Order: sequence, then structure tokens, then C-alpha cells
Amino acid sequence: AQKVTQAQTEISVVEKEDVTLDCVYETRDTTYYLFWYKQPPSGELVFLIRRNSFDEQNEISGRYSWNFQKSTSSFNFTITASQVVDSAVYFCALSSQIQGAQKLVFGQGTRLTINP
Amino acid sequence: DAMVIQNPRYQVTQFGKPVTLSCSQTLNHNVMYWYQQKSSQAPKLLFHYYDKDFNNEADTPDNFQSRRPNTSFCFLDIRSPGLGDAAMYLCATSKRTSGNGGKFFGPGTRLTVL
Repeated sequence: AQKVTQAQTEISVVEKEDVTLDCVYETRDTTYYLFWYKQPPSGELVFLIRRNSFDEQNEISGRYSWNFQKSTSSFNFTITASQVVDSAVYFCALSSQIQGAQKLVFGQGTRLTINP
Repeated sequence: DAMVIQNPRYQVTQFGKPVTLSCSQTLNHNVMYWYQQKSSQAPKLLFHYYDKDFNNEADTPDNFQSRRPNTSFCFLDIRSPGLGDAAMYLCATSKRTSGNGGKFFGPGTRLTVL
């Protein structure tokens, strides 16, 4: 069975600090996909990134960066120079592509609060 | 802009009164999904359509059904809502493709059951 663990339930930092959100996953599939989503108070899930299991290249997008390490089954997310607008719940998710569909299994989420 | 649209954003229904939530997409994606997210929990997949093929999750209650009349629209029907069905319902779409394409969610419909 697939499982995603986000051990940090809540994180609170002061603006401009760097913060890393941890994500550890379990799967027996050789091909799978990892995602990060942001959920602000409005409730919408905002897609941030998708990575497939064959692509361990780390990615940077502005202040966001992702570190995928297959050896430790982790896909961590770092926000550099955090801002108040980054406050949200962040979900890590895992899926396999089954007959063309991406069925996501989500972690429990990390509530990130950035204080001014 | 291409997007996933959900109507209404907020829905109030009475215990046992059937309710339908709607989702439409302009992305022309093959697959449409419905997730249920209860307060302070992670989203949970209820079912999905791959084109016209319906795929139900094993633990989705019979009370929940879905229709997809065409590529653009998908409906979630709750036949007899209970208090435990109060949640945010999220529609999502994806396209069968390789690479790092995303799975896109609509803004959600927050359902209240009185």
C-alpha cells in the first residue's frame, strides 16, 4: 500500500526565515509520481510541483526548492526567505499512474504559519 | 484561462435531501476526479472517470455517485446526505501524458449538512 508521512503537523517561523517541510513516502511501485500542493485558507489546492520516480534532479523555482532522494524515500520542500503569503497548509502526495489516471494519496499536511 | 470550475462554492443541504455538486473544465483533460476533504484532514479520493469509464474507490459509500455527460462536465450526487458528509469536495483533472504535468484542482465546494 502507498503511504505518505508529513511528520510536521505545524510549523511557525518569522518572516524571511528559511523553512523546510519534510515528506517521506512508501510505495512498492517502481514508477510513481510525487506532488506538492499548497492549500491557502480559501481551500483551493494549488499545484506546486510533480516529480516522477526516474527524475531525481532537484528543482528550484524562485524561492521554492525541492529535494528528491530516492535512497531515503523523501521529497522535501524548502521555502527560502519566507513571506507571510506563504502561510498555508502544504500537502505532499504520491501517485502511481494506473490506466492513465493519477490517484493521489496525500500526507496529513503541514500547517505553515509565517509571522511578520 | 483554462481552468477547473466548481459550482456552487458553498452548498447547504438538509439531512437526507439529495444534493448535486458540479465541476467543469476547459483543459480538455481525459480524467476527472472527486475528492472529499473533511476538516483538518487530507483529501481522500472518492472516484474518477477516465473518459467515460467510471472507477469507484473500494471504500466510497454507496451514497455517493457520479455522472460525466461529456468531457467537460462531471457531477457528484449525494443521495441522502448525513451529518458526516459535511466536507469540502474537490474536483480535479489530469491528462494522460508522460513528463511532469500536473494534476489540477478546482476551488472546491464546501458542503454543509443541517
